[in-house]
Amino acid sequence: NAGVTQTPKFQVLKTGQSMTLQCAQDMNHEYMSWYRQDPGMGLRLIHYSVGAGITDQGEVPNGYNVSRSTTEDFPLRLLSAAPSQTSVYFCASSYSRRTFMNTEAFFGQGTRLTVV
Amino acid sequence: ELKVEQNPLFLSMQEGKNYTIYCNYSTTSDRLYWYRQDPGKSLESLFVLLSNGAVKQEGRLMASLDTKARLSTLHITAAVHDLSATYFCAVELSGGGADGLTFGKGTHLIIQP
Repeated sequence: NAGVTQTPKFQVLKTGQSMTLQCAQDMNHEYMSWYRQDPGMGLRLIHYSVGAGITDQGEVPNGYNVSRSTTEDFPLRLLSAAPSQTSVYFCASSYSRRTFMNTEAFFGQGTRLTVV
Repeated sequence: ELKVEQNPLFLSMQEGKNYTIYCNYSTTSDRLYWYRQDPGKSLESLFVLLSNGAVKQEGRLMASLDTKARLSTLHITAAVHDLSATYFCAVELSGGGADGLTFGKGTHLIIQP
């Protein structure tokens, strides 16, 4: 019963460094998404995927890349980290594109990223 | 652009009291979700409201949805300390025109003995 697994849980980067946040789900969900959470801002959608090989931008996509080569994995890449990307990142998955339908939403435990 | 507004953003209340959190949204939607988040933790799904007039209850929490007023409420009855958390509402656009959820900024709830 792993659900949605994110790694790492914590990360400190220097400005300009690149890294990949990993997200994996074992529920055979079609739909996966990345959000960032900033104090007082709620969660904002970065990128999403409706299935393997299909990705699209959300509300705040700049500075991030994604790919979806398998149903299970949806990594988020920071190309050149900036202090403005200091945030908590959550990966989420659901059964279908029409978000979550009648099923429960599943969120990962989050990755706390600090860019110095 | 879909906007979701919650109020209040911060609420301190005493155990045993009742209170309501409001979630207003700007564009037609027939799907609204309530989540709970404890400090440093992930989001826990509380309620999924899928139609106008939907009402769901779990313990001391009750959520309702009025799609005509574009309003959802989360009512807390006889609050207990364990309900202290941040509560988010999230809205999905009707017709699936835009994917993903739009979240409110959250209501930070502290329940004091």
